[in-house]
Amino acid sequence: GAGVSQTPSNKVTEKGKYVELRCDPISGHTALYWYRQSLGQGPEFLIYFQGTGAADDSGLPNDRFFAVRPEGSVSTLKIQRTERGDSAVYLCASSGNRGYNEQFFGPGTRLTVL
Amino acid sequence: AQTVTQSQPEMSVQEAETVTLSCTYDTSESDYYLFWYKQPPSRQMILVIRQEAYKQQNATENRFSVNFQKAAKSFSLKISDSQLGDAAMYFCAYSSPNNAGNMLTFGGGTRLMVKP
Repeated sequence: GAGVSQTPSNKVTEKGKYVELRCDPISGHTALYWYRQSLGQGPEFLIYFQGTGAADDSGLPNDRFFAVRPEGSVSTLKIQRTERGDSAVYLCASSGNRGYNEQFFGPGTRLTVL
Repeated sequence: AQTVTQSQPEMSVQEAETVTLSCTYDTSESDYYLFWYKQPPSRQMILVIRQEAYKQQNATENRFSVNFQKAAKSFSLKISDSQLGDAAMYFCAYSSPNNAGNMLTFGGGTRLMVKP
């Protein structure tokens, strides 16, 4: 498929565990975004990549959250020592160039921390 | 910091009728973009319509149109001839070219129900 894909679709983990969430952007898209959507709320920005580098990580809530995009394509959001408050849908989006371009969203990963 | 507010948690419309969803925002920027996104139960955000702040003409996409009032910082979405498939969460969003990467700031959403 040509869209943004995210795996897994759902992830259930226990408090204190480590999780990785994966995003495959649209081929050729240089910009990649992570957002977090808590239940009943709108998505909130976490981090933005332009190519391989994190151009803006001001939305990451604390140092338990980290994201990488080593080859400028696939990105992984990593959460250490998960807490129940981390439970949310994590959305990934990609877009083509700098300046305005439409952000195309993936279906998200629903993370549940027990 | 920019904020986006959607004051209607839920709205309901009869099939084939028209409904308007409200959105207000706060910014000190003069150049920015406004969006309406649709999020069905599948969770995937779909762009419905976009408005550039420098354009006075309201954007229109088929049955969807906006009423952009820049001075009032208001950006409402009108859905005409509502269809059952329009039922979803709708999010108003803002971005500014002064923010690296044009990240989106979202409102809290409005759940639209369409009655047959």
